[in-house]
Amino acid sequence: ETGVTQSPTHLIKTRGQQVTLRCSSQSGHNTVSWYQQALGQGPQFIFQYYREEENGRGNFPPRFSGLQFPNYSSELNVNALELDDSALYLCASSPNSRGGEETQYFGPGTRLLVL
Amino acid sequence: AQRVTQPEKLLSVFKGAPVELKCNYSYSGSPELFWYVQYSRQRLQLLLRHISRESIKGFTADLNKGETSFHLKKPFAQEEDSAMYYCALSGLASGSRLTFGEGTQLTVNP
Repeated sequence: ETGVTQSPTHLIKTRGQQVTLRCSSQSGHNTVSWYQQALGQGPQFIFQYYREEENGRGNFPPRFSGLQFPNYSSELNVNALELDDSALYLCASSPNSRGGEETQYFGPGTRLLVL
Repeated sequence: AQRVTQPEKLLSVFKGAPVELKCNYSYSGSPELFWYVQYSRQRLQLLLRHISRESIKGFTADLNKGETSFHLKKPFAQEEDSAMYYCALSGLASGSRLTFGEGTQLTVNP
């Protein structure tokens, strides 16, 4: 069984640029959640995708957007990057999303630095 | 609004001593509580969850709805327990999104 993978592991962008982060969910999982973890903070929920549709969103502006593909992999896109977007971005997959009880399995994260 | 509070950012104990990592929450409804752990240079992973009522690596956590707490305990800490610990909450009202606390860095000294 393959775990959650994310790419790239880290990258550097400049303010105003756009970035796409990728996530491959664990085998058999149809739900993907994205979290932002700033330095010294706990992860904060960005949004979740269930069977290719957005299924909940946290308190993040519209320039944070996402996609889920038929194979349940996912992308997180961030437009007009700001310095405060510098963080570790975590992807987590789970078997299904129709309750609050499914365990989420996390990827290693992508560390984004915005200069 | 749902919220998780971990009052201690840092906690240091000696090997063999008991350890308790505190977690308090606020949530309207019946929450599901989790403890996640992140060892050095490893990914975030589930340690235990309220609904399972298991003891994992000697750790236990009891949900106290009256005090809205879910403290993590271990009677005898080991050096390999040194890690960052996050308490998290989810519930039916919020789908399966996890709300995390800010984490407690546990150091177990030899």
